[in-house]
Amino acid sequence: DAGVTQSPTHLIKTRGQQVTLRCSPISGHKSVSWYQQVLGQGPQFIFQYYEKEERGRGNFPDRFSARQFPNYSSELNVNALLLGDSALYLCASSRASYNEQFFGPGTRLTVL
Amino acid sequence: KQEVTQIPAALSVPEGENLVLNCSFTDSAIYNLQWFRQDPGKGLTSLLLIQSSQREQTSGRLNASLDKSSGRSTLYIAASQPGDSATYLCAGGAQTGANSKLTFGKGITLSVRP
Repeated sequence: DAGVTQSPTHLIKTRGQQVTLRCSPISGHKSVSWYQQVLGQGPQFIFQYYEKEERGRGNFPDRFSARQFPNYSSELNVNALLLGDSALYLCASSRASYNEQFFGPGTRLTVL
Repeated sequence: KQEVTQIPAALSVPEGENLVLNCSFTDSAIYNLQWFRQDPGKGLTSLLLIQSSQREQTSGRLNASLDKSSGRSTLYIAASQPGDSATYLCAGGAQTGANSKLTFGKGITLSVRP
């Protein structure tokens, strides 16, 4: 079975732009979570979606939004990019919201 | 608010040594504890998952333990190899209502010298 996939692998944007990151969960998994990992830090929780509904949001500004589609894939959108948004964005999937989470390879976002 | 601490931030050992990586957490109301491995610039690979009702899990040369009462988990690596060099992160899973999330430590960067 394929693992969690994320696209694109790398992305370079300039301040003020908008970005969309994509995630496909493991087949059969209905929950997707997003995390931001800044260099030298552990991942920080951004969002969790289960059955297309937002189940949780971390301490991130409203510039961050997400959604989950009927096929359980998910998109993370970030508006009005700041230099501080440069990070590795990780997607994780699980069967249900409280199960073991499996992570994708991440999208490296660089904001110039 | 859950806080997860991993000390030291970095560790260097000679090949063949047995080692223990420590993880401490402040909120004992976790439903599981996961250990991950991260290679530079890569995503997270799940190593071991311990449910809150369990005390330990083993996979090959790895053994993880969980003591909720003391807020501690340890990852034991037997007979370390240069290929074990990576950053090891622990994360506590907590559930609040319908939301569940992992709270991560900053990780321990392990270097195994040939």
